[in-house]
Amino acid sequence: NAGVMQNPRHLVRRRGQEARLRCSPMKGHSHVYWYRQLPEEGLKFMVYLQKENIIDESGMPKERFSAEFPKEGPSILRIQQVVRGDSAAYFCASSPRNRGDGYTFGSGTRLTVV
Amino acid sequence: GEDVEQSLFLSVREGDSSVINCTYTDSSSTYLYWYKQEPGAGLQLLTYIFSNMDMKQDQRLTVLLNKKDKHLSLRIADTQTGDSAIYFCAETQGAGNMLTFGGGTRLMVKP
Repeated sequence: NAGVMQNPRHLVRRRGQEARLRCSPMKGHSHVYWYRQLPEEGLKFMVYLQKENIIDESGMPKERFSAEFPKEGPSILRIQQVVRGDSAAYFCASSPRNRGDGYTFGSGTRLTVV
Repeated sequence: GEDVEQSLFLSVREGDSSVINCTYTDSSSTYLYWYKQEPGAGLQLLTYIFSNMDMKQDQRLTVLLNKKDKHLSLRIADTQTGDSAIYFCAETQGAGNMLTFGGGTRLMVKP
């Protein structure tokens, strides 16, 4: 079992470009969560998805950010027209059920906007 | 302000015990967690406690939960230099059991 796989590990984008972050959950996990960690801070919840559905996006910025978890393939967090303030570590977690005791985090994608 | 609060920094000597404290706000949280993060790395789950428990022990780690005061602590016995890291407590919130994290406590272990 490969665990939660995130790629790329590091991503550099110029201001105004798009960033696409991918997360493949653990086998058998149908719940995916994205979190953002700004420098020197804790993680903040962004969005919770199940296959083909966004369940809770209360932590997502209203503009430029979107997420999906298609029937086939990884979950994608997409950031359009990136700005310097988007520089952060983005972590994905998956769980086999909505119960809180099965969370597994990926190693994160570190986005740097130059 | 933060829903989950932790002190920023703790320094101990190798071999001593470390106690990291956390206060949370959501009395309906079902699970409370402790994660460890080393520089540039992801989150490593250390332990978690179900909300109907008062204490959980796992080798060098002891978690104490005081639901009345909404206080959670992590005790690391015989602290080693390899324990130097940032420790985050987190609680589950909402119907989706999303995690709300504290700001992290940086533990420094001096030889």
